[in-house]
Amino acid sequence: QKEVEQNSGPLSVPEGAIASLNCTYSDRVSQSFFWYRQYSGKSPELIMSIYSNGDKEDGRFTAQLNKASQYVSLLIRDSQPSDSATYLCAVSGMDSNYQLIWGAGTKLIIKP
Amino acid sequence: DGGITQSPKYLFRKEGQNVTLSCEQNLNHDAMYWYRQDPGQGLRLIYYSQIVNDFQKGDIAEGYSVSREKKESFPLTVTSAQKNPTAFYLCATDGAGANVLTFGAGSRLTVL
Repeated sequence: QKEVEQNSGPLSVPEGAIASLNCTYSDRVSQSFFWYRQYSGKSPELIMSIYSNGDKEDGRFTAQLNKASQYVSLLIRDSQPSDSATYLCAVSGMDSNYQLIWGAGTKLIIKP
Repeated sequence: DGGITQSPKYLFRKEGQNVTLSCEQNLNHDAMYWYRQDPGQGLRLIYYSQIVNDFQKGDIAEGYSVSREKKESFPLTVTSAQKNPTAFYLCATDGAGANVLTFGAGSRLTVL
């Protein structure tokens, strides 16, 4: 059973600080990794995708991938109240027939 | 204005009734997906379709049925065989075949 694990939170971070969200996965041959943001009662929207080891930056967001340790993380710099949401980690690879396997999400709260 | 339209947004069903959730897209994307989301759980794949007149079961297809007669449309029927249908249902498309999903606004089904 392929699994993607996230701490459910809530993770509370002061406004302006760095929020760090983590995700571990069980399938060693996973190839594609995604972070989606979901506001309460809304549908998910893609924030970041990452495919190779290392860091990928997009504005205030940085995705970090470590395939040897089987974890992927999302850093949010200069956190804003509008970043308060649930962040979903999703992973795909050959063993899942390239379909996404989703974590349950981490709820992030940015305190003004 | 390109996008994915799901309807209805809210739906109430009596036990023993079949209901159909609509998903229409004008993004010209080939792949379409139906997911189910329950509180505290990751998204679970019900059915997906990568081409007209063809679809595959996901992880939790029992009690559900779909059709893909047109590229733009991928309706989901929740049958009376689905024992616990109360959930948030999400339709998504993938235009690049790379798991970069675009979601509709979702349909929330409640069984009375």
